[in-house]
Amino acid sequence: NAGVTQTPKFQVLKTGQSMTLQCAQDMNHEYMSWYRQDPGMGLRLIHYSVGAGITDQGEVPNGYNVSRSTTEDFPLRLLSAAPSQTSVYFCASSYSNGYGYTFGSGTRLTVV
Amino acid sequence: DAKTTQPPSMDCAEGRAANLPCNHSTISGNEYVYWYRQIHSQGPQYIIHGLKNNETNEMASLIITEDRKSSTLILPHATLRDTAVYYCIVRARTDSSYKLIFGSGTRLLVRP
Repeated sequence: NAGVTQTPKFQVLKTGQSMTLQCAQDMNHEYMSWYRQDPGMGLRLIHYSVGAGITDQGEVPNGYNVSRSTTEDFPLRLLSAAPSQTSVYFCASSYSNGYGYTFGSGTRLTVV
Repeated sequence: DAKTTQPPSMDCAEGRAANLPCNHSTISGNEYVYWYRQIHSQGPQYIIHGLKNNETNEMASLIITEDRKSSTLILPHATLRDTAVYYCIVRARTDSSYKLIFGSGTRLLVRP
């Protein structure tokens, strides 16, 4: 099925551990982005990419790294997890005209 | 991108029209108005967008005032499944950053 696929759906990390959240889309979208959503809050932009090899910071980039080696994939790396990074993470993609962003189902991350 | 102001919460009766307002008094001439919604903890879902003319699709209608400083999303016959947080976003289609910045949205409760 066409869409945005995020893995894993759930993850528990210990403080200081590293991990990568995966995001893949099969719609040939140029634009991809990562958001985090804390309980009861709106979505905040972490990083985004307007095409393979091009990434930029969003509103809350600290503690996260991204890369975009292919059009399809946009992984988000947590280098040293902290409890403040406990959140739900959403990946989104769209065509370069910005029309109709498609969101994944999210990854629920808990850092203990 | 222009900022938006939405009421934090609203409610309406099932079967009646839900009218969700959004103020965007600093909108620029090339900025579109987008509406998304987030049902429970799912990824946000695109609803509709417009520039200056009223728009309608199978989900909703978007009414933009002549001065473009405010808009209203209309769900013509709200159902219980329309209970969600609705986000109004303004951004330029030609914005090369393609960033989509979410505010706090309006929490709509549809009552039986």
